[in-house]
Amino acid sequence: SQKIEQNSEALNIQEGKTATLTCNYTNYSPAYLQWYRQDPGRGPVFLLLIRENEKEKRKERLKVTFDTTLKQSLFHITASQPADSATYLCALVATGGFKTIFGAGTRLFVKA
Amino acid sequence: SAVISQKPSRDICQRGTSLTIQCQVDSQVTMMFWYRQQPGQSLTLIATANQGSEATYESGFVIDKFPISRPNLTFSTLTVSNMSPEDSSIYLCSAMGTATNEKLFFGSGTQLSVL
Repeated sequence: SQKIEQNSEALNIQEGKTATLTCNYTNYSPAYLQWYRQDPGRGPVFLLLIRENEKEKRKERLKVTFDTTLKQSLFHITASQPADSATYLCALVATGGFKTIFGAGTRLFVKA
Repeated sequence: SAVISQKPSRDICQRGTSLTIQCQVDSQVTMMFWYRQQPGQSLTLIATANQGSEATYESGFVIDKFPISRPNLTFSTLTVSNMSPEDSSIYLCSAMGTATNEKLFFGSGTQLSVL
């Protein structure tokens, strides 16, 4: 069956360090992969999109890598800040489709 | 970008009743979707709201339980019918824009509690 797996354990890091979150998927042929941020009581907010033929994407302090052989994406936040504390969701859209399917998310806590 | 207004933001309902959730987008969008999110869980796609025709439901969701309307390109409703406590969840409206036809925009969600 199709699965998108994110680390269910919360990630606790110190301010200024790099946070790295993992997204693994099985039985998908993704056209592209996205990362969203979700704060409590709010809907997800789009952060970055990476396509199947791209290895890496950057946006300010954010970096996403995509390895279709390993079926894995890594999401990095450099120089993390307490304001980065949130749940980060990985999402896939399959080749030829339009529906966005989400992982359960990883909660990130950045301590000052 | 698109701004999505969703209401109500929360409600407490009695078993057996129905609740209609409204979703208004500030611009025309190509596609609208309804998701459900239970605590600590991923977003589960309920259906794609199709403009002018019946919604397309995902496995495990049926029209009688979750009727959806989309009368135009900026508005949709989701009704949760004949509610039971198992329907307690957050319901999220989302849209995919015409200019940004890959990323999703979300409303703030409706927190539903069924007693």
